[in-house]
Amino acid sequence: EPEVTQTPSHQVTQMGQEVILRCVPISNHLYFYWYRQILGQKVEFLVSFYNNEISEKSEIFDDQFSVERPDGSNFTLKIRSTKLEDSAMYFCASSGSGASGRNYNEQFFGPGTRLTVL
Amino acid sequence: AQTVTQSQPEMSVQEAETVTLSCTYDTSESDYYLFWYKQPPSRQMILVIRQEAYKQQNATENRFSVNFQKAAKSFSLKISDSQLGDAAMYFCAYIQGAQKLVFGQGTRLTINP
Repeated sequence: EPEVTQTPSHQVTQMGQEVILRCVPISNHLYFYWYRQILGQKVEFLVSFYNNEISEKSEIFDDQFSVERPDGSNFTLKIRSTKLEDSAMYFCASSGSGASGRNYNEQFFGPGTRLTVL
Repeated sequence: AQTVTQSQPEMSVQEAETVTLSCTYDTSESDYYLFWYKQPPSRQMILVIRQEAYKQQNATENRFSVNFQKAAKSFSLKISDSQLGDAAMYFCAYIQGAQKLVFGQGTRLTINP
């Protein structure tokens, strides 16, 4: 069964450094998302992406964050200058089109990337 | 804005017993979807069950079923014949269209052998 993959599984970085989190969504999906979960807290929406542009972003998604779909398969989240409070689990998700037979409301999650900022 | 509330931070149940996790939500929309996700210690988000708001029939998936009360904006999850592998955080979530998922705060479920 197709699945969303994310790399790396764990990233450790120094405060102020740039990080890029990578995701490969399910191949025929059209909608892509990033969520964040600080340890012990709920999952929070960061950004959604459709048709090569951001469709919605939360207040968390400030100028330090950016997303890109550099090719037909990858979807990346970049944090330009990491802060201690960016330490969290980052989940990528994707959802499909009605034409694929998959309901676009159902988002499929990757396994997450644990980001630790020291 | 849509909100999702899970009022039970923790629940526990004896193995083989039944447990119900509560969820309420707030929306002015009439067409939306509700989900329950399971998050084991690995922190992977696993879809357990989904419910379309336009369907009156409650969704079921094997030992998992929901009680969807649209007028009351309530969406509880019932786990029958609880198993040790059911121990996890459970998140209720709402979505309308191809938009963001809005999650509740989660309920930590413990299964006692």
